[in-house]
Amino acid sequence: AQKVTQAQTEISVVEKEDVTLDCVYETRDTTYYLFWYKQPPSGELVFLIRRNSFDEQNEISGRYSWNFQKSTSSFNFTITASQVVDSAVYFCALSETYDSSYKLIFGSGTRLLVRP
Amino acid sequence: EPEVTQTPSHQVTQMGQEVILRCVPISNHLYFYWYRQILGQKVEFLVSFYNNEISEKSEIFDDQFSVERPDGSNFTLKIRSTKLEDSAMYFCASSRLGSGGELFFGEGSRLTVL
Repeated sequence: AQKVTQAQTEISVVEKEDVTLDCVYETRDTTYYLFWYKQPPSGELVFLIRRNSFDEQNEISGRYSWNFQKSTSSFNFTITASQVVDSAVYFCALSETYDSSYKLIFGSGTRLLVRP
Repeated sequence: EPEVTQTPSHQVTQMGQEVILRCVPISNHLYFYWYRQILGQKVEFLVSFYNNEISEKSEIFDDQFSVERPDGSNFTLKIRSTKLEDSAMYFCASSRLGSGGELFFGEGSRLTVL
């Protein structure tokens, strides 16, 4: 069965600290996609990144970076030099493909609080 | 930038009442979805819709739920007889063909059942 585990329920850091959010997934599919979404206090879901299962290259986008390791079934997310605006709930998700539509399996989320 | 829009942003209803949540997906997208998030919990898949029919639905999506695309732009979720446990944020999403699972989510409709 597909499953996404985000073991950290809440993390609190002081501004400018680096923080890593962990994500571990389970799937029997050989082709799958992994995602990170941000949910700020306003409630919407903001897409951050998608990786496919064949691309283990790490990715950096500004202060954000992602480390995908198939060997450990992990897709971790690091925020460098965190800012107060980074405070949000972050969800990791795994896609399950049915025909051509996608069913996202979300983790339970990690609430990040960045204090000034 | 095109976006998914949802109405209403918040609806309060009495238990047993019917509710319709509306969504306007991004215009060139072909796949439509509803997800639900009970307060403080994870986001859960409800249903996916393609070519005017349901592609897949979860166990949550029982007979009291239905979806419809009544015209070329709207995508609706109807809850026939609401229960207290239906109180949640409902997210609509859409994706295009070959998107690799990149779903664009609306801002959500918060449903409160009293």
